[in-house]
Amino acid sequence: GDSVTQMEGPVTLSEEAFLTINCTYTATGYPSLFWYVQYPGEGLQLLLKATKADDKGSNKGFEATYRKETTSFHLEKGSVQVSDSAVYFCALTSGTYKYIFGTGTRLKVLA
Amino acid sequence: NAGVMQNPRHLVRRRGQEARLRCSPMKGHSHVYWYRQLPEEGLKFMVYLQKENIIDESGMPKERFSAEFPKEGPSILRIQQVVRGDSAAYFCASSRLAVEGETQYFGPGTRLLVL
Repeated sequence: GDSVTQMEGPVTLSEEAFLTINCTYTATGYPSLFWYVQYPGEGLQLLLKATKADDKGSNKGFEATYRKETTSFHLEKGSVQVSDSAVYFCALTSGTYKYIFGTGTRLKVLA
Repeated sequence: NAGVMQNPRHLVRRRGQEARLRCSPMKGHSHVYWYRQLPEEGLKFMVYLQKENIIDESGMPKERFSAEFPKEGPSILRIQQVVRGDSAAYFCASSRLAVEGETQYFGPGTRLLVL
């Protein structure tokens, strides 16, 4: 079945460091891909999405490119802030409305 | 412009009691989804509803769990005779359309603790 695999956390970085959170997927067909962020005690917020190969989603300095050849959708940010500390979820939909989520990657940014 | 509303935010129940979780979708959204997040895991789809109809309950446990979305009022996820394994965060989401690629907007969740 369809699945999403994310890198294990937690990821701890110093402020202004470069961030990469890896996400790979398995899906039949051509899925849509999402990154959601969950701040402590809150629900999930859409960070960015891409619906076809080679699309780049971007928001708030975060970027991810839909790579069909490597079945990946890695999240990147050039310079993280303490306020970026959260759990990041990669997700997909493939021919359906059901979201399939990865297990989440916790990011901690130190001042 | 209110987002998806869920209440209560936290719910404590003893084994055998009933838990009732409520969700009001975003204005203009008629599609509601419930997901469950077990500790240290991602969210798992449970059920998809439209007004007065359960469209897809393929992710819902067969026993003790039920969901509704009445003509008037919020969607309700009901768990009867709760057990410790039901302790989790339950998230509701809504969308304008129910198609692949459509953004779902999530509420803040209800964190259920079963003692």
